[in-house]
Amino acid sequence: DIQMTQSPSSLSASVGDRVTITCQASDDIGDDLNWYHQKAGKAPKVLIYDASNLETGVPSRFSGSGSGIHFTLTISSLQPEDVGTYYCQRYGTVPVYTFGQGTKVDIK
Amino acid sequence: QVALRESGPALVKPTQTLTLTCTFSGFSLSTSGMCVAWIRQPPGKAPEWLALIDWDDDKYYSTSLKTRLTVSKGTSENRVVLTMTNVDPVDTGTYYCARIRRMVGVPYTLDVWGQGTTVTVSS
Repeated sequence: DIQMTQSPSSLSASVGDRVTITCQASDDIGDDLNWYHQKAGKAPKVLIYDASNLETGVPSRFSGSGSGIHFTLTISSLQPEDVGTYYCQRYGTVPVYTFGQGTKVDIK
Repeated sequence: QVALRESGPALVKPTQTLTLTCTFSGFSLSTSGMCVAWIRQPPGKAPEWLALIDWDDDKYYSTSLKTRLTVSKGTSENRVVLTMTNVDPVDTGTYYCARIRRMVGVPYTLDVWGQGTTVTVSS
């Protein structure tokens, strides 16, 4: 099975900072990667699909890039409502949905 | 409006079988490309995909749990049932169901989730 590894596991940043989270696949997954944001006590919500496409309604400060093995989620200007945990998630042609271990983001 | 809701026991004893129901509205599991997935999340850990059932009644399972899981369409058209046999305290967590649309031109995301149901496995 393909594994997804995120880094860092947690970070603390100031409002307005640029934040970058990385996700690495153990094998080439093309652009079959989504990013989710989960707030405490809530279900995850889609931010980015197919590695770089912004989900409808998601603020433009979020962006995704990468393909193959290395992927990045960037928040261009961190806002208080962005706190929570971010997960990358790969999907396969045969249904399989593997999540990374998560990156917890809070405000400094 | 699309909505999903999970239901089931809050407490299960080790070795018992856990049965969870996902009741959904706003879409039909008979529509080509429509799927319902189950995901669980242990406390403080990442989500883990468990199973998926699609419009054609095809079923897919996590490699590590497939011997213990069964997913099926419920007796009602808007329900999906997940059973997990021989539960253990490590199965404690929040269990979610979510919609996936495996259609050309539609992102393969878990686009709508239920609120989750918390299950504790303890004697």
